[in-house]
Amino acid sequence: GEDVEQSLFLSVREGDSSVINCTYTDSSSTYLYWYKQEPGAGLQLLTYIFSNMDMKQDQRLTVLLNKKDKHLSLRIADTQTGDSAIYFCDKAAGNKLTFGGGTRVLVKP
Amino acid sequence: DGGITQSPKYLFRKEGQNVTLSCEQNLNHDAMYWYRQDPGQGLRLIYYSQIVNDFQKGDIAEGYSVSREKKESFPLTVTSAQKNPTAFYLCASSPGTGYDGELFFGEGSRLTVL
Repeated sequence: GEDVEQSLFLSVREGDSSVINCTYTDSSSTYLYWYKQEPGAGLQLLTYIFSNMDMKQDQRLTVLLNKKDKHLSLRIADTQTGDSAIYFCDKAAGNKLTFGGGTRVLVKP
Repeated sequence: DGGITQSPKYLFRKEGQNVTLSCEQNLNHDAMYWYRQDPGQGLRLIYYSQIVNDFQKGDIAEGYSVSREKKESFPLTVTSAQKNPTAFYLCASSPGTGYDGELFFGEGSRLTVL
């Protein structure tokens, strides 16, 4: 079946850029999503990219999709302490959704 | 405001007891989902429902049951048959078939078995 993988942990200094990576095995997809989960809460949609796009920018967020390498990344510019959370990538192929294991981002002052 | 409400937020259960987690949405969404989240793991799908009075098993349905008698409500029962029920449970909804895959999540319910 589909496998979506993320690194477990990322530590970054406040003001620096964060890059969270996601790799997948099945190339079929419609949309790819990034969700943010704050402690003890549900997931909130941050941004998404359609599978025929290479890049999408939304304020401090930049999503890059490399279909050849099956690699998705989320870059957060000027990372703030409020960006500390778990970030999940989610790959949609029709009605089938597959989540990565989540990357815990810790922002240090 | 529209959204998804899960209750209770925290729940303790003794071994051998069934427990029901509530999920209510007022977004008029057709599809609803239950996920289980364990530390360091992604979300695993327990059950989902795309229409009232119909639901399907997800990847880890054993030991769980659901009902979908109303569009707004999709309660999850964690039965005594679930071997390792301690986890964080997330309910989600989406507009339904033909949607682009975005899910709207509740705040979650944390179940601890004592």
